[in-house]
Amino acid sequence: DSGVTQTPKHLITATGQRVTLRCSPRSGDLSVYWYQQSLDQGLQFLIQYYNGEERAKGNILERFSAQQFPDLHSELNLSSLELGDSALYFCASSVGPDSYNEQFFGPGTRLTVL
Amino acid sequence: QKEVEQDPGPLSVPEGAIVSLNCTYSNSAFQYFMWYRQYSRKGPELLMYTYSSGNKEDGRFTAQVDKSSKYISLFIRDSQPSDSATYLCAMSVNAGKSTFGDGTTLTVKP
Repeated sequence: DSGVTQTPKHLITATGQRVTLRCSPRSGDLSVYWYQQSLDQGLQFLIQYYNGEERAKGNILERFSAQQFPDLHSELNLSSLELGDSALYFCASSVGPDSYNEQFFGPGTRLTVL
Repeated sequence: QKEVEQDPGPLSVPEGAIVSLNCTYSNSAFQYFMWYRQYSRKGPELLMYTYSSGNKEDGRFTAQVDKSSKYISLFIRDSQPSDSATYLCAMSVNAGKSTFGDGTTLTVKP
């Protein structure tokens, strides 16, 4: 158990809908990262927050947004969902702001868009 | 062309074999090199982390980085069935973004 929690574990929804994925980092970790893992794209970095501020941005679609709250938990919002958004979404956390700081991954949220 | 290319596998080896997992990359600015292990239905976990060129050893695992060739490797000695997993290489310039390879699935047969 990495200490990172993600909810929900599974999510099934329809195209055009909006969903929110939630992540609680390990105690003491200030950085939260979001990743998407699909069969054809591998693990793709989406976005990072450090202590409430956006730190780095990857290949995140405009339909997707994230935030980190004062209690350091984070939410990833996915809107106008498409079939291709079906994937595993991982959250990771680390103590420091840099991506080479050891990242601890959560168990993931499996999103299925029908 | 992807920034990070990983030998796709899958790899199947007998228990006790030496395993070599490899990645190449195109971005010469990468300075930090990581290997993650991902068991089925789990999140990745960091195995090894190396800064710049050189070797790093941790038990049965050795990570090698050759920046001149833009090539990194992970060696697993005396492989065990519990090593069966997908191995992901990852690289970073500095803060924030890590770029991952697509992963190599390894099966170690008893």
